[in-house]
Amino acid sequence: AQTVTQSQPEMSVQEAETVTLSCTYDTSESDYYLFWYKQPPSRQMILVIRQEAYKQQNATENRFSVNFQKAAKSFSLKISDSQLGDAAMYFCAYRSASNSGYALNFGKGTSLLVTP
Amino acid sequence: DGGITQSPKYLFRKEGQNVTLSCEQNLNHDAMYWYRQDPGQGLRLIYYSQIVNDFQKGDIAEGYSVSREKKESFPLTVTSAQKNPTAFYLCASSISGGWSGANVLTFGAGSRLTVL
Repeated sequence: AQTVTQSQPEMSVQEAETVTLSCTYDTSESDYYLFWYKQPPSRQMILVIRQEAYKQQNATENRFSVNFQKAAKSFSLKISDSQLGDAAMYFCAYRSASNSGYALNFGKGTSLLVTP
Repeated sequence: DGGITQSPKYLFRKEGQNVTLSCEQNLNHDAMYWYRQDPGQGLRLIYYSQIVNDFQKGDIAEGYSVSREKKESFPLTVTSAQKNPTAFYLCASSISGGWSGANVLTFGAGSRLTVL
């Protein structure tokens, strides 16, 4: 199975500032999909952003954007103008385009603390 | 509103007992998944099903069983053979096949199982 690594167990950011969460993955495939999910204290998993590997353009969703570096197998999440509601666990996930089942492989997560 | 319902939200079990976690979706999704979440471990795939009457083992299927008799339902049984069943369990579903918005996992609110 492909390995997803989130090297930052915890991160902290001040309100209105920008923070970047790191994610790297290990794969021999050329076609795949990448996701960032958010898990707030309610523990409900919420999709933040997704990226198709065949697209060179980095995905953006309002204050959330990614830096997708395919050659480096890196998929970082940038949160701009951080808000208190952004405090949560953030999980990076990988899905193979060729493997059956469409299940996601998740990293271990990064806990983001937002301070006033 | 469409969504995924997991029940019960909290469950206590004595050692040696089997317990079944319910997962129901009204999203008309073909694929369903069970993940286990432990602190510091991220989400790990237990079982998944792409279609009724068919399912496949994930990375940590030992000690678990599932059934998929109806499209809407994918119950998970935690058997007495599961050596460390205390965890948070998440059910998810997705449209099966292709891309273009498909394969985004929608999650339920989770079930917390504690073995006494």
